[in-house]
Amino acid sequence: GQNIDQPTEMTATEGAIVQINCTYQTSGFNGLFWYQQHAGEAPTFLSYNVLDGLEEKGRFSSFLSRSKGYSYLLLKELQMKDSASYLCAVRDSNYQLIWGAGTKLIIKP
Amino acid sequence: IAGITQAPTSQILAAGRRMTLRCTQDMRHNAMYWYRQDLGLGLRLIHYSNTAGTTGKGEVPDGYSVSRANTDDFPLTLASAVPSQTSVYFCASSNKEEGGELFFGEGSRLTVL
Repeated sequence: GQNIDQPTEMTATEGAIVQINCTYQTSGFNGLFWYQQHAGEAPTFLSYNVLDGLEEKGRFSSFLSRSKGYSYLLLKELQMKDSASYLCAVRDSNYQLIWGAGTKLIIKP
Repeated sequence: IAGITQAPTSQILAAGRRMTLRCTQDMRHNAMYWYRQDLGLGLRLIHYSNTAGTTGKGEVPDGYSVSRANTDDFPLTLASAVPSQTSVYFCASSNKEEGGELFFGEGSRLTVL
């Protein structure tokens, strides 16, 4: 079956760096997405990786290794507003998105 | 403001009643989706439409139906609601020619009693 694994919850300190991991087993691969979802709100797009390597976008970076079925989202200079759930999703061979359950990130002052 | 709009934002419904969740987008995206989100689970695809006039079943389609008469609208209907359909429902759209990033509506919180 298809599976996306990510930690349920993580805690980090304001100003620090945090890495949220995502491992996947899917039928084919056509890209990996990271979304941010604040409590009670809709998910919003953060990043997209289809080739191996690191994609940097401001304080957020996303890494992909297709051979390992692995990605991470790196958040630098954490701010209180970064407290949210972070969703990993993989697009499979049918171009459908398979979603992880999300990682709830708690930022402490 | 361009985007995707869902209605209602919240609804309490008696079991056995019929309910339609509305979704409209003005971005001219070809693909639209309905997801449900439950605590501890990932977003689960209910139905999707790759283009106006076509629809397809997702991971959890039972008890739900959709239609796509035009590009902008993609309503989701629960013919006879059951308590297990209590959830937050998100409509989303994407333009597959532009990478397929999903844009989500604000969600509809449905409680079936």
